Amino acid sequence: GAGVSQSPRYKVAKRGQDVALRCDPISGHVSLFWYQQALGQGPEFLTYFQNEAQLDKSGLPSDRFFAERPEGSVSTLKIQRTQQEDSAVYLCASSIENRGTEAFFGQGTRLTVV
Amino acid sequence: AQRVTQPEKLLSVFKGAPVELKCNYSYSGSPELFWYVQYSRQRLQLLLRHISRESIKGFTADLNKGETSFHLKKPFAQEEDSAMYYCALSPGNTGKLIFGQGTTLQVKP
Repeated sequence: GAGVSQSPRYKVAKRGQDVALRCDPISGHVSLFWYQQALGQGPEFLTYFQNEAQLDKSGLPSDRFFAERPEGSVSTLKIQRTQQEDSAVYLCASSIENRGTEAFFGQGTRLTVV
Repeated sequence: AQRVTQPEKLLSVFKGAPVELKCNYSYSGSPELFWYVQYSRQRLQLLLRHISRESIKGFTADLNKGETSFHLKKPFAQEEDSAMYYCALSPGNTGKLIFGQGTTLQVKP
């Protein structure tokens, strides 16, 4: 596929459960971003990778959130011990480089914590 | 503080009417500003960026540093313009985006 792919599209987790969200960026894209979008809000930055290096994780809301991109392509966002406030759409975006270039977004994963 | 404000959650206009979606930003450096759009059941996609000074689908946006604004305009709205519009700021050199809360544009026939 030509676009950014995220899986699963929907995830329901019981409170306290761990979840893993996957992002397949566009091939060759150096930069990869994760955003969290709560209902009725704009996306909020979580973390950023340049190749395999996580250069900015200032937006991760707590130490329960962890992201990795070990080979510089696929990325996984892991949330441990999920809480109800983690319910949101998680968006992944990739771009060919960084400043000024277009970010291509995935369809998102809608996480509902019950 | 780096912030993007879109004061209107919903803007409703009739087909053929002019449209202006407001965006104000707060950033101490030289900003890079974007408009992203999300049509129903589609993914978020770039509409335009200030650096390229282009017109896309009839939309334009001018960066006004004095007023710290980047309003999106179109002289004659079409029904297919109905969507959620997000203004975004990219600080620094990373490409990360700071989004506003979004404005839903509803174009009525």
